[in-house]
Amino acid sequence: DIVMTQSPDSLAVSLGERATINCKSSQGVLYSSNNKNYLAWYQQRPGQPPKLLIYWTSIRESGVPDRFSGSGSGTDFTLTISSLQAEDVAVYYCQQYYTTPFTFGPGTKVDIK
Amino acid sequence: QLHLQESGPGLVEPSETLSLTCTVSGVSITSSSYYWGWIRQPPGKGLDWIGTIYYSGSTYYNPSLESRVTMSVDTSKHQLSLKLTSVTAADTAVYYCARHPRTTWTYPPVGPLDGWGQGTLVTVSS
Repeated sequence: DIVMTQSPDSLAVSLGERATINCKSSQGVLYSSNNKNYLAWYQQRPGQPPKLLIYWTSIRESGVPDRFSGSGSGTDFTLTISSLQAEDVAVYYCQQYYTTPFTFGPGTKVDIK
Repeated sequence: QLHLQESGPGLVEPSETLSLTCTVSGVSITSSSYYWGWIRQPPGKGLDWIGTIYYSGSTYYNPSLESRVTMSVDTSKHQLSLKLTSVTAADTAVYYCARHPRTTWTYPPVGPLDGWGQGTLVTVSS
């Protein structure tokens, strides 16, 4: 199985400041035939189901604000919230969909400082 | 607009079978553009992929649950079904159904989970 790890476990950021979440996979999730990293990010607000934010490492899902961005390749990936808003308080998960079993990171909780 | 709704008993006794359905609306369950997944989340914990199914019946299960899980599609009712046998307290979780867009190259050829139901809490207890 591909093990996904995230850091930090939690972080508190002031409104308008940058939040950065890291995700590492235990093996690469880059498919060489199409040069795509099979890595997604989800946001889960309290009491809500997860919501897809980013896929193929850096493509924002329709309707997702452009303050959310994804980057990385191979085994190391990053989700950045450029200017934290109150509605961004949530747990964020990375996920690999490169191979089964599809696996998620343990989550990073983002709060307002 | 995609809508997924999970339903089923909220309480299941240990050693019994957990049975859930997911009603799909807003998109055809037989669309060749999508696969369908089940994911669960124990209270206060992270997300675990249970398995993925195509409308044709092709299934892909998490090896950790494969001996106990069965997924199926009822195209006439626009429903997905999840059965998990011999449940224990460790199976207590919110169970979600979700949609994968179909892609290419990998096996199964799916993308991320781009639409989720609200989830249903299943508690295993006597």
